[in-house]
Amino acid sequence: AQTVTQSQPEMSVQEAETVTLSCTYDTSESNYYLFWYKQPPSRQMILVIRQEAYKQQNATENRFSVNFQKAAKSFSLKISDSQLGDTAMYFCAFMPGGGADGLTFGKGTHLIIQP
Amino acid sequence: DTAVSQTPKYLVTQMGNDKSIKCEQNLGHDTMYWYKQDSKKFLKIMFSYNNKELIINETVPNRFSPKSPDKAHLNLHINSLELGDSAVYFCASSQDESSQETQYFGPGTRLLVL
Repeated sequence: AQTVTQSQPEMSVQEAETVTLSCTYDTSESNYYLFWYKQPPSRQMILVIRQEAYKQQNATENRFSVNFQKAAKSFSLKISDSQLGDTAMYFCAFMPGGGADGLTFGKGTHLIIQP
Repeated sequence: DTAVSQTPKYLVTQMGNDKSIKCEQNLGHDTMYWYKQDSKKFLKIMFSYNNKELIINETVPNRFSPKSPDKAHLNLHINSLELGDSAVYFCASSQDESSQETQYFGPGTRLLVL
């Protein structure tokens, strides 16, 4: 079984700053995928970014990028030029190849963007 | 158009009752899931289902049962509700069970058992 650990229960930064959310995982799988999901107060789960483990290049989506260190089993999310609308819970998630077992989530990081 | 929808959004009921939460996806996906988010925001897979196979998380009590009338729907039935069942339940879908496919989540159903 795999585990996902998010060691920062809560973070707070000023608007326009850059913030990095950490995530580590443990697995014996060689083929897997990693995701970051955002959950704003509306409760909706929104995909922020995904990374295929076989790809060495770090994924980027506009202001969001990841630092994927496969050997260290680390998958951090960097948010540049943070905006008030980025305030939300952020969940790191793991899915092994095959996917039928569903996503394994970390406990989440509550990110607060201060004006 | 809503990709993954759930009804109801809120459900308040008494202990011991039987209730259902409906989920529908209009994405043409083959695989659907149910997740439970507890009061501490922890999300955990309950079921995954496609037209071939139901996979049940071993920690889910057998009072919970998914039922799929067709490929676009995966409803969650809960018998003999208990206080500990209070949570937010999310339905999700993906193109197939391959992890290459992103899962799209419904808006969640907040269940409160009194």
